[in-house]
Amino acid sequence: SAVISQKPSRDICQRGTSLTIQCQVDSQVTMMFWYRQQPGQSLTLIATANQGSEATYESGFVIDKFPISRPNLTFSTLTVSNMSPEDSSIYLCSVGVGPDTQYFGPGTRLTVL
Amino acid sequence: GQQVMQIPQYQHVQEGEDFTTYCNSSTTLSNIQWYKQRPGGHPVFLIQLVKSGEVKKQKRLTFQFGEAKKNSSLHITATQTTDVGTYFCAGDAQGAQKLVFGQGTRLTINP
Repeated sequence: SAVISQKPSRDICQRGTSLTIQCQVDSQVTMMFWYRQQPGQSLTLIATANQGSEATYESGFVIDKFPISRPNLTFSTLTVSNMSPEDSSIYLCSVGVGPDTQYFGPGTRLTVL
Repeated sequence: GQQVMQIPQYQHVQEGEDFTTYCNSSTTLSNIQWYKQRPGGHPVFLIQLVKSGEVKKQKRLTFQFGEAKKNSSLHITATQTTDVGTYFCAGDAQGAQKLVFGQGTRLTINP
């Protein structure tokens, strides 16, 4: 299994500002992902965080809005840039452990005023 | 793009009753995964199904993967209050752990 921590656990931000979310894993993993879960909704994959190269973004998500870093196999960051109230969501990182299991972090609850 | 539909959206049962949620993908899947999210919590991996027609059991939970690898179901026998939460299916079409989640079924239970 993998133990995943995220910082911050929650934050309240003003529109137009940016927030960087950190994801730390207790072991080296190849696959790391970032998801968004809007209130009462399902999870949507934002991007795959690739170690040593640019993240791979899903349709509807762009690097300028959600820049991602993956400096090593245990850590990644997601920045939510130039925030608006529509960005209020829970942001979750996840890791793939082996071919068939994915573990999620506890999430970061973001409120944008 | 790939879509995963899940029904029902909500289900309220009396404790001891059975519960089933259904998942249907617009495309053939490499595998399907099921997650449980408790209120205020994060999704927790339950199981992965890979083979056509596969059936797996975890105590009172039974998971099925359709023959065409496009649909799946989760059945809980004799629900308990600890089963409360939202159950998500997630389809992986490419076998690369890039998951498309269903909308989830929120289960509430009357004790």
